[in-house]
Amino acid sequence: GAVVSQHPSWVICKSGTSVKIECRSLDFQATTMFWYRQFPKQSLMLMATSNEGSKATYEQGVEKDKFLINHASLTLSTLTVTSAHPEDSSFYICSAREALGQRQPQHFGDGTRLSIL
Amino acid sequence: DQQVKQNSPSLSVQEGRISILNCDYTNSMFDYFLWYKKYPAEGPTFLISISSIKDKNEDGRFTVFLNKSAKHLSLHIVPSQPGDSAVYFCAAKAGANNLFFGTGTRLTVIP
Repeated sequence: GAVVSQHPSWVICKSGTSVKIECRSLDFQATTMFWYRQFPKQSLMLMATSNEGSKATYEQGVEKDKFLINHASLTLSTLTVTSAHPEDSSFYICSAREALGQRQPQHFGDGTRLSIL
Repeated sequence: DQQVKQNSPSLSVQEGRISILNCDYTNSMFDYFLWYKKYPAEGPTFLISISSIKDKNEDGRFTVFLNKSAKHLSLHIVPSQPGDSAVYFCAAKAGANNLFFGTGTRLTVIP
């Protein structure tokens, strides 16, 4: 089946550090990738939709200057949390949808646990 | 505004019995529904989906039922196995729009 690789799986860093998370589709091309955030015992909340070769579309309330998204190729999207603070600590998950169409299910990475001290 | 709701945060079922996970939605424009399974510290794994033109889709031990008039869908797992213990999310979308997820139901299958 389709595999999405997300790296790193766990990050612990000091406040003020910028953190980059990579999301790769390993065996399919993904024109669209999604970035989610999950707080404990809550649902996955969509942060932004990333389309290859164009600017990401951010959901309401998500700071685009805080969460920089780059989708440089059909297999790679990156999320950079700039100047991270403790309130940015969360579980971040990416997903990718195959280029075949909107009815293809999204395939998820294993997530990144970000802890800001 | 939670457009997809899973009102049962947890469910315990004996091994071999049927597990029924429920999901309600409010947006009548949703036309595609999915169930995902999630283990701790991992991303969700796609399980099964259903289009709004159907009312049932079956894949092995997993069956999803859709009741459009009630805006309700359910996932049936039979027979339940200990390895099915996980958090199950239902999700819905309208056309090309993004997925909306429920808050999840933690299923525990007791050996």
